[in-house]
Formats: sequence, C-alpha cells, structure tokens
Amino acid sequence: EAGVAQSPRYKIIEKRQSVAFWCNPISGHATLYWYQQILGQGPKLLIQFQNNGVVDDSQLPKDRFSAERLKGVDSTLKIQPAKLEDSAVYLCASSLGASGPLLLYEQYFGPGTRLTVT
Amino acid sequence: KNQVEQSPQSLIILEGKNCTLQCNYTVSPFSNLRWYKQDTGRGPVSLTIMTFSENTKSNGRYTATLDADTKQSSLHITASQLSDSASYICVVIRTNDYKLSFGAGTTVTVRA
Repeated sequence: EAGVAQSPRYKIIEKRQSVAFWCNPISGHATLYWYQQILGQGPKLLIQFQNNGVVDDSQLPKDRFSAERLKGVDSTLKIQPAKLEDSAVYLCASSLGASGPLLLYEQYFGPGTRLTVT
Repeated sequence: KNQVEQSPQSLIILEGKNCTLQCNYTVSPFSNLRWYKQDTGRGPVSLTIMTFSENTKSNGRYTATLDADTKQSSLHITASQLSDSASYICVVIRTNDYKLSFGAGTTVTVRA
C-alpha cells in the first residue's frame, strides 16, 4: 500500500514570496490533515478536511495560508506572502475517517516538506 | 488547556543500553494515548496505541506503559540499536472531538 506522498520535500524562499505544497493521501482515506511542525516542537494542526469539506481550520492563519482539497483526494497548502516564522516542516496526514473505532481514525503521515524562509 | 509534556528533551545512550522516556498529560476527556517515532526527515510513525483500560503495550523492543489515574505514560526502549535514533512523540487523543494533542518529543541518539 502506497503511503502519503508530499512534494516538494524541500523549499527555500525569501520572505514575502509565495509557496505551495502538494499532498496525495492514501487511497480511500476520506480525512486529510495539514500540520505545521516547528523545529523542536510537536506538530500543530492547521486544517482538517473530510472529503472536500473543511472540518477544522481554527489554527490556520487565514490572512496568509490557504488550503483546498478539490475532488476530495489531493490537497494543496499555500502560503502567500511567507514570513520568517513560517519556516517549519509541513506534514500531511490522512485517515480512513475522523472518529469511531481507533483504527478508523489512525493517521498516517507523509514525509513532510521542509520550508526555509530567508 | 490540554497539554502533553515530555521529558527529557533529549538523551544520548550507548548501543545496547536501555532507556525510558516520560510523558505527562492533562488532556481531557481521554480516549487513547499513542507513541510515535519520527526519524529525521520523515513523518511520525505509530509505535503503540493504548486505551484507558490498558496498562502496557509492547511493539518489539518498545514497551509503553500508561497510568490513566496519574495521567502518565512511559516508553521503554530495550537493547537500543543505532536505528532507534529518532524523535519520540507522545500523542493524546480526546474522546469528544478525536483531536490529537502532541508533545514536543524526546530526541534519542544512540551511539556505537
């Protein structure tokens, strides 16, 4: 079974530039998550999709971050314009569902995209 | 505020030795607790999952314990190997919204 795919793996941009990340979840997984992991910290949820609808985006800085999941499969996360404090690893995860039996909402993580803003 | 605190922040051990990582949490209402291993440049991978009624769970050389009364968990690594070098993250899930609360992780370095 293929895992969660993310691209690019690394990105270096200057502040005020724009950047986009792509995620392809495990086939059949209805729920998709984007996390921000700053060095030395645990991941922080940015946005959660159930199919192509947003379930939770309470911690997404909406003035600069946006995400979409068209057709309920792939997803893109965009930052425009980037700030120095956006330097982090952006993790995408997916799960079969978002609640219920334990294994149903087991999250599988992709390798992440390491963003450096200079 | 739901929090997950891990200790130590980092540790270095010699290959073949054992070590124990600690996790204290205040997350409520509690559903289950998971330990993840995150290799450098990779996403976290689940090692163990424990519900309220489980006190211990093993996965090879990894053994997790849970004391739901004191809200403490530990992860014990036996006979460490170089491949155990990674960050170990404690995650607690709530029953009401299934949200994951992450600890900051413990970075383990195993040296030959």
